[in-house]
Amino acid sequence: DSGVTQTPKHLITATGQRVTLRCSPRSGDLSVYWYQQSLDQGLQFLIQYYNGEERAKGNILERFSAQQFPDLHSELNLSSLELGDSALYFCASSVGAGSSYEQYFGPGTRLTVT
Amino acid sequence: GNSVTQMEGPVTLSEEAFLTINCTYTATGYPSLFWYVQYPGEGLQLLLKATKADDKGSNKGFEATYRKETTSFHLEKGSVQVSDSAVYFCALFTAGGTSYGKLTFGQGTILTVHP
Repeated sequence: DSGVTQTPKHLITATGQRVTLRCSPRSGDLSVYWYQQSLDQGLQFLIQYYNGEERAKGNILERFSAQQFPDLHSELNLSSLELGDSALYFCASSVGAGSSYEQYFGPGTRLTVT
Repeated sequence: GNSVTQMEGPVTLSEEAFLTINCTYTATGYPSLFWYVQYPGEGLQLLLKATKADDKGSNKGFEATYRKETTSFHLEKGSVQVSDSAVYFCALFTAGGTSYGKLTFGQGTILTVHP
C-alpha cells in the first residue's frame, strides 16, 4: 500500500459525459501528479501540482482539467468524453517536486467510455 | 524531446533464469533514471533508481547501471522467481524547463516467469 488513495476504482460512462477522478496523496506529500495509461499511448504524464499550484503540464487535452485543493487532495476532471479516453488514470504523490523525490503511485481509476 | 525505449516484450523465463530488460534513453541535460514495476491490478512501485552517470541502483536482487556513454539503463537479475512476474517500466526524470516534474516512461515490458 503506497498510501495514495484514488476513487473511484472503476468508472463506466457514456461518450459526451463528464467525470471527476479524485486523489488523496500520502500524508505530508505536497506534490501530486496525474498519469494516463492506455494500450496505444502507454503511460503518459498529464499534469503536476505542488502545494496547490500547477507546476508542469504534459500531454493533457483541453477537455481535461485538474486542481489541487488546500487539503492537498487533487481532482482530475474529464469532459466531453470520447471512446479514446478509456484508460487507467494514475495519481502519484511526492514530498517535493524534483527528481530526488520518489513518486508513490495510487492503485488507479479505470475509466471505460461506452 | 525526452524519450525512453524498452526492449520488446513479452519476456518469458523459467524460474532461476537470468533476466535482462534493455532500456535506452534520449534526453537533454542530466536525467535521473528509474525502473518501476507494476504487479497485476496494482499501481506502479519504484524498483530502483540512479541519479548520475555510473551509479548502480539495486533492490530485491535487481540491478541497473546508469551508462551515459551508451545512454542505457538495462535491468538485470541473476535468478528470477515466479513472484517477479509483472510489467517493468524504465523511466527518466529531468528537472527544469518544460520537463519540470515529469517522468517519461518506456512502453513497458511484460515478464512472465514459469516454475
